Amino acid sequence: SQTIHQWPATLVQPVGSPLSLECTVEGTSNPNLYWYRQAAGRGLQLLFYSVGIGQISSEVPQNLSASRPQDRQFILSSKKLLLSDSGFYLCAWRAGTQQETQYFGPGTRLLVL
Amino acid sequence: GENVEQHPSTLSVQEGDSAVIKCTYSDSASNYFPWYKQELGKRPQLIIDIRSNVGEKKDQRIAVTLNKTAKHFSLHITETQPEDSAVYFCAKFSRAAGNKLTFGGGTRVLVKP
Repeated sequence: SQTIHQWPATLVQPVGSPLSLECTVEGTSNPNLYWYRQAAGRGLQLLFYSVGIGQISSEVPQNLSASRPQDRQFILSSKKLLLSDSGFYLCAWRAGTQQETQYFGPGTRLLVL
Repeated sequence: GENVEQHPSTLSVQEGDSAVIKCTYSDSASNYFPWYKQELGKRPQLIIDIRSNVGEKKDQRIAVTLNKTAKHFSLHITETQPEDSAVYFCAKFSRAAGNKLTFGGGTRVLVKP
């Protein structure tokens, strides 16, 4: 069966520091991968999605970037964190372009101080 | 044409009563409509979904109805229980809008014992 992992689970970082969040999926090939951010008490904001290795689509211009170095690995990065980057970061996957059902990872809670 | 409007934003019901959440959209190409439940501090979990060739789908105490002509779909929870308290998100999928889900703003449901 398919599983999705995210790490770290929680992170406290100072303003201006770099960020790297990782997401990996097991049990499937060539998944579509997504990064969402959820501010406290708010909805789901799509940040990036990828349909294949090296293919990244950005939804919202900001100081974040994403990369997909391997088929089942999706990384969210920042060179300099802002206070407004605090939130719950969720990775999600979908089994390719012919499947609509999407599943979320456990999330990373980021607090920028 | 990509937005999904979700109402109400908060819903308080007495245990045992029914809860109904409604979402509306505007594009005709959407063909898949999932609902997610997010408990406090957890990831969104898919609870039910419906495709455009079906008008209603039921799974125990939850049901979803879809009116493609009017472009709205609803989640119905019957005999609500305290564990139904959570934030519920509707979403829609349209291949014409890219390989991604568009989410509603969420409904916070509180079931009072």
